[in-house]
Amino acid sequence: QKEVEQNSGPLSVPEGAIASLNCTYSDRGSQSFFWYRQYSGKSPELIMSIYSNGDKEDGRFTAQLNKASQYVSLLIRDSQPSDSATYLCAVDWAGGTGTASKLTFGTGTRLQVTL
Amino acid sequence: DGGITQSPKYLFRKEGQNVTLSCEQNLNHDAMYWYRQDPGQGLRLIYYSQIVNDFQKGDIAEGYSVSREKKESFPLTVTSAQKNPTAFYLCASREPGEESYTFGSGTRLTVV
Repeated sequence: QKEVEQNSGPLSVPEGAIASLNCTYSDRGSQSFFWYRQYSGKSPELIMSIYSNGDKEDGRFTAQLNKASQYVSLLIRDSQPSDSATYLCAVDWAGGTGTASKLTFGTGTRLQVTL
Repeated sequence: DGGITQSPKYLFRKEGQNVTLSCEQNLNHDAMYWYRQDPGQGLRLIYYSQIVNDFQKGDIAEGYSVSREKKESFPLTVTSAQKNPTAFYLCASREPGEESYTFGSGTRLTVV
C-alpha cells in the first residue's frame, strides 16, 4: 500500500509570514509530486508540481523535493488570509507497462492565516 | 469551455437504495477517476478507467460499481452494499503527458 503522510494541522501563521507544509511518501518508485489547495466544500486545484530533486518556485510558492528522504514540501511566502485552506500532497506512481498512473493523496494540512 | 461536469451537486439516498453519480467530460481525456473524500480526510481512489470499456478497482471499490461505455462518461453507482456512503465524491480526468488531473466540482452524497 502506497502511503502519503501529512500533518493534519491546523497550521496557524500570521499574515505575511512563511508557511511550511510537509509531506512524506512510502514508495521509492514515485515519480511525480503535486500540491493541491482545497477550499471547504470545493474540489482541489493544482498549486505546484515537481518531478526532480531540488526547489521549484512559482510566485509565492516553492516546492521542494528530496527523493532520498522521500520528502516533499511546500513553502508559501507572504501568506495571505486567502491562502487559508487545506493543502493536499499527492504522489503519482506510473506502475509499469499497461498500468495507469494514479494519484495517491495525503490527508491534507489545514492552513490558517491570521490577521 | 472544456471541463468535467458532475451531477447532481447534492444527493440524498435512503438506506438500501442504489444511486448513480454522473461524470461527463468534454476534454477528450482517456483516463478518468473516481475519488471519495470524508470530512477532514484526503481523497481515496474508488475506481479508474484508462480507456473505453475498461476499468480497474482502486483502494476502496467495495460497494461501488462503474461503467465506461463512452469516452466522455464515467458514472459511479453507490450500491446498498456500501455501508457508509455519506461523503464528497470527486471525478477527475487526465490525458497522458499532462501534469495532473482536472477535477469536477463534486457530488455530496448523504444517507437519510
